[in-house]
Amino acid sequence: DAKTTQPTSMDCAEGRAANLPCNHSTISGNEYVYWYRQIHSQGPQYIIHGLKNNETNEMASLIITEDRKSSTLILPHATLRDTAVYYCIVRVYNTGNQFYFGTGTSLTVIP
Amino acid sequence: NAGVTQTPKFRVLKTGQSMTLLCAQDMNHEYMYWYRQDPGMGLRLIHYSVGEGTTAKGEVPDGYNVSRLKKQNFLLGLESAAPSQTSVYFCASRTHQRGPYNEQFFGPGTRLTVL
Repeated sequence: DAKTTQPTSMDCAEGRAANLPCNHSTISGNEYVYWYRQIHSQGPQYIIHGLKNNETNEMASLIITEDRKSSTLILPHATLRDTAVYYCIVRVYNTGNQFYFGTGTSLTVIP
Repeated sequence: NAGVTQTPKFRVLKTGQSMTLLCAQDMNHEYMYWYRQDPGMGLRLIHYSVGEGTTAKGEVPDGYNVSRLKKQNFLLGLESAAPSQTSVYFCASRTHQRGPYNEQFFGPGTRLTVL
């Protein structure tokens, strides 16, 4: 599975959009991009995933560049409850083996 | 529907003691996983299972054993605990079915301290 690179930490003002980048320059054609988040002391929570098209759900939007070497998770209106560590993971769809969690981006939403 | 549950929530062991962590899921998921998370680090996979009676090694399997005798349960064993195994342990499960989601559901974690 391709490795990912994310900034260690970011701040965002409450009510503004939070844009979290992820680089995955060695991604292969059959690997999907997944985003999870982990609120302090809890288990990680799935947010969204995509292959090459942009995706949106009730939690967030995922923008994947045309060459698929990077992506951005967008939380459109960040709230204090969005303060968490966000993990970007790339892996082959629907295989039984592991997700490789890196160290993620620690997002702090500021009042 | 409880999702993924873990037992116990907290435990303190002395070096050399043994224990078993229990993970249970009621979603009829085929795949189950055990991760550990050390302070300031992401999750690392210890062992996983793609079905009842099967297990496989993950990224950091040494010092741990697992068993999947029943589909709904995944046990993680420490035969001789070491201080390096002090960590928070998370269990996860997901369906094997093809579909729009490949989501892993995580349990609340077990905080283990080895003295």
